[in-house]
Amino acid sequence: DGGITQSPKYLFRKEGQNVTLSCEQNLNHDAMYWYRQDPGQGLRLIYYSQIVNDFQKGDIAEGYSVSREKKESFPLTVTSAQKNPTAFYLCASRTGRVRGTDTQYFGPGTRLTVL
Amino acid sequence: SQQGEEDPQALSIQEGENATMNCSYKTSINNLQWYRQNSGRGLVHLILIRSNEREKHSGRLRVTLDTSKKSSSLLITASRAADTASYFCATAPLFTGFQKLVFGTGTRLLVSP
Repeated sequence: DGGITQSPKYLFRKEGQNVTLSCEQNLNHDAMYWYRQDPGQGLRLIYYSQIVNDFQKGDIAEGYSVSREKKESFPLTVTSAQKNPTAFYLCASRTGRVRGTDTQYFGPGTRLTVL
Repeated sequence: SQQGEEDPQALSIQEGENATMNCSYKTSINNLQWYRQNSGRGLVHLILIRSNEREKHSGRLRVTLDTSKKSSSLLITASRAADTASYFCATAPLFTGFQKLVFGTGTRLLVSP
């Protein structure tokens, strides 16, 4: 069953803790993305990666970190430096090989709540 | 920075009616895409229209693009209760190549039986 999986679905964090959100894809896509969505808002780009071992900051990277050691995996760490981390986090991927076909495929999301 | 703005923010219609939502953007684009999001879920791609296209159809969906006005519209014909969702436009700005999409703020559509 091809697609993108995110885990966990719900995550609770105490203030001052780092937490890591998982994103895995078996679509053989080169590019992967992390977005943050606040209630009633659109998506804001946190980080993206075009290829393994390379990633770029998006619009709101402060307080977040990522790694891309494998093509299939793009985990996001929400650090204690992120002052307002409560949000819905979405991971996406894109084939990246054919110009003009930059449709993104999304995972089901992780809802992070800071207690 | 979000460059897409959608209008209206919320739309409530009856089943069988048509739903139209609009998107405006600020910079030149490679293409514009529409996505749907059911409550608490990920986004699902609906349709992509390239900058050299003016209209595109897919089933009950019709998308138009006016690059001179930097705007697009999504029409859903003969709406169903299952169409209830948030709809987002996303643009692939020219200056980012094909690397990033910029999402609008979304239109929340409620279709009542």
